Amino acid sequence: GAVVSQHPSRVICKSGTSVKIECRSLDFQATTMFWYRQFPKQSLMLMATSNEGSKATYEQGVEKDKFLINHASLTLSTLTVTSAHPEDSSFYICSANGQANSPLHFGNGTRLTVT
Amino acid sequence: QKEVEQNSGPLSVPEGAIASLNCTYSDRVSQSFFWYRQYSGKSPELIMSIYSNGDKEDGRFTAQLNKASQYVSLLIRDSQPSDSATYLCAVNGVNTGFQKLVFGTGTRLLVSP
Repeated sequence: GAVVSQHPSRVICKSGTSVKIECRSLDFQATTMFWYRQFPKQSLMLMATSNEGSKATYEQGVEKDKFLINHASLTLSTLTVTSAHPEDSSFYICSANGQANSPLHFGNGTRLTVT
Repeated sequence: QKEVEQNSGPLSVPEGAIASLNCTYSDRVSQSFFWYRQYSGKSPELIMSIYSNGDKEDGRFTAQLNKASQYVSLLIRDSQPSDSATYLCAVNGVNTGFQKLVFGTGTRLLVSP
């Protein structure tokens, strides 16, 4: 089945630094990938849609200059949390599918802790 | 009205019982419907997908879809304590983009031994 790999699984950083999270589709090409954020005991919140070769589409309330998304190839999307602050501490999850109407497959997530 | 609605629970069932999880959606042109299971601290994993009216069975899981009522459900037979998790209903449709899924807030299931 479709596999999505996400790295790193856990990161701790100091306030003000930037963190890059990678999301790879291992056995299929993904022109679109999705980035979610989940705070403890809350539901998944879609942050942005990553489009290969073009700009990402951000959901309302998500700062595009803070959460930089790059989708340079059909198998790789990256999310960079710039100038991270403690309130950015969360569980970030990427997902992708190979074609429309097919299930989304999720990476294992990245737990970000900003101190 | 939320696009995808689920009862947050928790839904408590004893081991061996049938757990019934329900979901309603608002977009009439939705085409694809999915159930995901999410354990605490983990990312969601796909359990079932269903695209046409009726029932679809896979092992202990049965998904049911009624497009006229805009309703999709998941039945878990012979529930096990390991089934305790949050179950997310997700819906895809033309109005949300061909690949974009809209998730419900999830129903927390607790299976007691």
